[in-house]
Amino acid sequence: NAGVTQTPKFRILKIGQSMTLQCAQDMNHNYMYWYRQDPGMGLKLIYYSVGAGITDKGEVPNGYNVSRSTTEDFPLRLELAAPSQTSVYFCASSWAGTEQFFGPGTRLTVL
Amino acid sequence: KNEVEQSPQNLTAQEGEFITINCSYSVGISALHWLQQHPGGGIVSLFMLSSGKKKHGRLIATINIQEKHSSLHITASHPRDSAVYICAVRWSGGSNYKLTFGKGTLLTVNP
Repeated sequence: NAGVTQTPKFRILKIGQSMTLQCAQDMNHNYMYWYRQDPGMGLKLIYYSVGAGITDKGEVPNGYNVSRSTTEDFPLRLELAAPSQTSVYFCASSWAGTEQFFGPGTRLTVL
Repeated sequence: KNEVEQSPQNLTAQEGEFITINCSYSVGISALHWLQQHPGGGIVSLFMLSSGKKKHGRLIATINIQEKHSSLHITASHPRDSAVYICAVRWSGGSNYKLTFGKGTLLTVNP
C-alpha cells in the first residue's frame, strides 16, 4: 500500500497563478482532509470530506476549493495564488474517529 | 475559543534521558492524538487515546480527563527521537472528527 500520496513535493507560483495539489489514498478511507502548516503555528484545517461527493469548509478555506469525485482522490485547488498561501500543505485520511494518516506534504512558495 | 497548549515549546536532552512533553486543552474532548514530525518530513500518528495510558516501545502517553491534560513520555531517549511532537484533540460534540492541533514541541536529543 502506498498510503497517502501527494504531488507535487515542491512548487513555486507567481502571484495570481492557479494550481491543483493532488492527494490520493489507497486505504479506502471515507474521511479526507487538507491542512496547511505555517512556521510556529499548529496545523490548520482547510477543507475536509466525509465521502465521495461531500466536502465542507474547515478553519481557513478562503482562497481554496476542493472536490471529491472518488473515494481515493481529494485535490485542492488554489485560485489566484497570494503570498499568504505560502505554506506546507498536508493531505490526510482516516476512518471515522480513528487515527489520521498523512501524506508527505507539498511545500508551496508564492512570489 | 477552544485551545490546545503544549509545553515546553523546545526541549533539549542528552541521550538516555527521560523526556516528558505536556499538552493541556480548554474544554472536554472525545479523543487526543499524539503525532511525530521529523525535520523536513511527514507526520506520523503515535497514539490516539481517550482515557488512561498507552505504551508503544519507549513511548508512553497518558491522559487525565478531569485535569484536561496529557503527557507524552520517552524513556531512554535517543538522537533518532529528535522531532516535533504534536498534540491534537477532537472536541466533545465536535462533528466529523475534525482535530485542533497544538503548535508542537521541538525535541532535540544530543548524543
